[in-house]
Amino acid sequence: SQQGEEDPQALSIQEGENATMNCSYKTSINNLQWYRQNSGRGLVHLILIRSNEREKHSGRLRVTLDTSKKSSSLLITASRAADTASYFCATVYTGGFKTIFGAGTRLFVKA
Amino acid sequence: DVKVTQSSRYLVKRTGEKVFLECVQDMDHENMFWYRQDPGLGLRLIYFSYDVKMKEKGDIPEGYSVSREKKERFSLILESASTNQTSMYLCASSLSFFGQSVLTNYGYTFGSGTRLTVV
Repeated sequence: SQQGEEDPQALSIQEGENATMNCSYKTSINNLQWYRQNSGRGLVHLILIRSNEREKHSGRLRVTLDTSKKSSSLLITASRAADTASYFCATVYTGGFKTIFGAGTRLFVKA
Repeated sequence: DVKVTQSSRYLVKRTGEKVFLECVQDMDHENMFWYRQDPGLGLRLIYFSYDVKMKEKGDIPEGYSVSREKKERFSLILESASTNQTSMYLCASSLSFFGQSVLTNYGYTFGSGTRLTVV
């Protein structure tokens, strides 16, 4: 399977703490994307990082990409209860077009 | 605000019925996709389309067909609904660009999903 894999599967933290989620993939990529899904809703695109980029920021989100390890991490700083959701990484493989989604990390932020 | 709209949030159909799931986007995106999402299996691609009247099979096309007669509309058709097609169905659209000499995409805009139950 080309599917990316998120780690951990589930994460529970207190409001104000940082949350880190990891994603590993199998072959070389063109770009990697992170999405959020609130319960029972569609996915929302958070951030895209290209294969020639190492780090990207968007508000309280920080994404890193290590192509030598074929891994990426999503850091949410100063988490809020509203950040409770599932987070998915998605990879677009070099020479490919389709986006392959991982199984997701379920984040629960306790108020 | 840009949008992908799926016609129904919840749908209950009987086994053997022909089911139409509609998706409309207002962003003039070339590409449209249908996924299904099941617990433990993640998102699986059913079909996608990169242009009007064009369609490509995804990873699990069996039992489904699609129609794209207009750029903004992408319909998923369950020819004869079965209980194993009970799922959350997600429509998405995207723009394409050439990145590092290959066609790739900026990221998807998803609809809110249709939760289909086949009884």
